[in-house]
Amino acid sequence: DTGVSQNPRHKITKRGQNVTFRCDPISEHNRLYWYRQTLGQGPEFLTYFQNEAQLEKSRLLSDRFSAERPKGSFSTLEIQRTEQGDSAMYLCASSLGQGHEKLFFGSGTQLSVL
Amino acid sequence: GEDVEQSLFLSVREGDSSVINCTYTDSSSTYLYWYKQEPGAGLQLLTYIFSNMDMKQDQRLTVLLNKKDKHLSLRIADTQTGDSAIYFCAEKYQNFVFGPGTRLSVLP
Repeated sequence: DTGVSQNPRHKITKRGQNVTFRCDPISEHNRLYWYRQTLGQGPEFLTYFQNEAQLEKSRLLSDRFSAERPKGSFSTLEIQRTEQGDSAMYLCASSLGQGHEKLFFGSGTQLSVL
Repeated sequence: GEDVEQSLFLSVREGDSSVINCTYTDSSSTYLYWYKQEPGAGLQLLTYIFSNMDMKQDQRLTVLLNKKDKHLSLRIADTQTGDSAIYFCAEKYQNFVFGPGTRLSVLP
């Protein structure tokens, strides 16, 4: 299967702990996006990469959030000092980023902060 | 700023047609999309339409775009129980903006 892969599927953590999520995009896709989705809402944009360059970050992305895509392939999203409000589904998507852009999503990482 | 709105719930009987509606604000949108999300899963691209088109048909799916009113709809013909899911409308100009999703329930 060459779809977008996210790990872990579920993460339960205590408030104040750090967590890191990983996303492996479709191999030939040069754009990679991170979204956050809470219950009853659509995905909200967090940040995106064109190859290894982080081109845009949402105002939703506080200082506690950092994302990397060191070699332009997989990406990690780290949340430091987690808060209960960080509980959400974190979705990764990738695309070719050309012409009519189509996003392909992973299954997401469900984060619960206790 | 950009905004996308959808009604939150729709209930239909199996075999009937479903029509899910969406309105958006950004007249510069180049493409509009419909995604489907099943429980515990990510979003799956169903179909998309370029902003200079007014209709696109793909098997049981028909997308209608009224650019003047900034209104997009998705019609699912012969709705099946497997179509039960949340459907998201999205627009793209510089970034993708998603609506809140419409939960479609298909009754036997």
